Amino acid sequence: GAVVSQHPSRVICKSGTSVKIECRSLDFQATTMFWYRQFPKQSLMLMATSNEGSKATYEQGVEKDKFLINHASLTLSTLTVTSAHPEDSSFYICSARDHRNQETQYFGPGTRLLVL
Amino acid sequence: DAKTTQPTSMDCAEGRAANLPCNHSTISGNEYVYWYRQIHSQGPQYIIHGLKNNETNEMASLIITEDRKSSTLILPHATLRDTAVYYCIVSPYNTDKLIFGTGTRLQVFP
Repeated sequence: GAVVSQHPSRVICKSGTSVKIECRSLDFQATTMFWYRQFPKQSLMLMATSNEGSKATYEQGVEKDKFLINHASLTLSTLTVTSAHPEDSSFYICSARDHRNQETQYFGPGTRLLVL
Repeated sequence: DAKTTQPTSMDCAEGRAANLPCNHSTISGNEYVYWYRQIHSQGPQYIIHGLKNNETNEMASLIITEDRKSSTLILPHATLRDTAVYYCIVSPYNTDKLIFGTGTRLQVFP
């Protein structure tokens, strides 16, 4: 139980294009999902908190117009990197909190984005 | 949020117990201690968490000192597949945030 998936696992895109990353909770409902970013040899940094049916809450320094988050259902949140640039190349990881067990977050396998 | 201090790296022989320490001297009464690990190029994996009492599950044991200012994650019989970065995080129950520090890089060797 408590499986979180992400799609795609890796993506390469041209500079200026937009990329959508999906995060799904497969066997539980998640009222809250989280998006993290991890650069090489660094720790995870929280980007935003995604709440089902409401606007996402972004961490300081994260541009909400560049990183669009949609949490349309209890099992799906999407992160769209708009007008991607090479500096957006990173490992994007989502997590979800099981609404039945609020104590624990479960993480997806991550999406590696490379912007050329 | 309370901050944690972990050693940068540790080695452990395969089959032996791996004891990973974590200091969280400013932990608040409502904050849990969480442990996650991240194997290279994968998302973090939940290991265990606790508030006051020691906890054990199929993966590990968590020993929390009586004053709650430090804890130790124990992998009883380390295998090569346990090589990863281990993160100790303190966070309130039902919180929106898990703030990751730099973690401990555990290398299990044959």
